[in-house]
Amino acid sequence: SQQGEEDPQALSIQEGENATMNCSYKTSINNLQWYRQNSGRGLVHLILIRSNEREKHSGRLRVTLDTSKKSSSLLITASRAADTASYFCATAGNTGGFKTIFGAGTRPFVKA
Amino acid sequence: DSGVTQTPKHLITATGQRVTLRCSPRSGDLSVYWYQQSLDQGLQFLIQYYNGEERAKGNILERFSAQQFPDLHSELNLSSLELGDSALYFCASASFGTGVYGYTFGSGTRLTVV
Repeated sequence: SQQGEEDPQALSIQEGENATMNCSYKTSINNLQWYRQNSGRGLVHLILIRSNEREKHSGRLRVTLDTSKKSSSLLITASRAADTASYFCATAGNTGGFKTIFGAGTRPFVKA
Repeated sequence: DSGVTQTPKHLITATGQRVTLRCSPRSGDLSVYWYQQSLDQGLQFLIQYYNGEERAKGNILERFSAQQFPDLHSELNLSSLELGDSALYFCASASFGTGVYGYTFGSGTRLTVV
């Protein structure tokens, strides 16, 4: 099964609203990363949060990490139509050879 | 431009054929990862190389193989292709073997098997 699993899988929100996506994982991690993918394109790295961090901000993005619950959330504030994409979380471990696992992604649809 | 170069961008081939996908990692990155993404699916990890050596293996079929060369570019070979192999194949690179600083993805190769 996937290490990182995003929830929800689909999300419909109004432009200007905040969008929250969640990610759960199973094993201990060194860091968790969020990526964005526009349809048919490559993944773009958004933000990385380390296991000793609880919250991180980057522009309109806010990521939280709860290692006790093995979960993370990505908040996009003031959503725009251009935020419509798939968002994936991925985890990286502490030892060499760890295979980062991506979930199936959350696909928010921002309505104008 | 992410710095990770994948060629070709598109590939159409017939069942039973063999193709080679190429990836050049971002300058300075030693690790290369290969992922497969079928239509509207998540990414399936295939294989990782670090400085020329295989480091981790995922759900890679026996018909698929890969290698990383001394100049750090990597090739993914897909043989005896089936219709179900049609997908986007992504390469990602990282500085180290553990992705502690994140991954940089290429724009992918779209493979269509007809």
